[in-house]
Amino acid sequence: NAGVTQTPKFRVLKTGQSMTLLCAQDMNHEYMYWYRQDPGMGLRLIHYSVGEGTTAKGEVPDGYNVSRLKKQNFLLGLESAAPSQTSVYFCASAAAGGLDTQYFGPGTRLTVL
Amino acid sequence: AQSVTQLDSHVSVSEGTPVLLRCNYSSSYSPSLFWYVQHPNKGLQLLLKYTSAATLVKGINGFEAEFKKSETSFHLTKPSAHMSDAAEYFCVVSRIQGAQKLVFGQGTRLTINP
Repeated sequence: NAGVTQTPKFRVLKTGQSMTLLCAQDMNHEYMYWYRQDPGMGLRLIHYSVGEGTTAKGEVPDGYNVSRLKKQNFLLGLESAAPSQTSVYFCASAAAGGLDTQYFGPGTRLTVL
Repeated sequence: AQSVTQLDSHVSVSEGTPVLLRCNYSSSYSPSLFWYVQHPNKGLQLLLKYTSAATLVKGINGFEAEFKKSETSFHLTKPSAHMSDAAEYFCVVSRIQGAQKLVFGQGTRLTINP
């Protein structure tokens, strides 16, 4: 049981390049979340999904798109990367909403030059 | 609107001494509150959560937190620090509207001195 995995672990992009971060969970969870973590700040919610085929905006959605084509996967896309998107990205999943515990992946460290 | 303020960005204690990490929250309705821990280069792990059942909440690894509505606080404590407790700790408030939207504090880095 791997839990929540994220690929890649590290990535360096040039301004304007695009990329996709993959989050996968093997716990059959309905809910999935993407966060970013910046120095001196807690995590901030980018987008989330309450089930396969659904997505919704979080606190800081601008510059990102997401897709949930399969229940176990949640993709985060950057169409045209900017230096302000340099951050550590965390994915999380939960069985349901409410007070169910969110389980976090190990993170992806992204640098945009 | 909801927000969380962690009053200390860095706390340093000696091994075997008590730990206190302070958190104040602001919420326009009854909040759900959490403490998460992040060890270096790792993801976050839930320590404990307050769900309005009991004001004193016990979590993993000997941590506990007390919800005080009158003081809008949710401080995290541990009687005796261990070297393995060195990590970043986040106080989190949540709005439950279907999805669980977590609002994180800035984090407190806990250092344990031998």
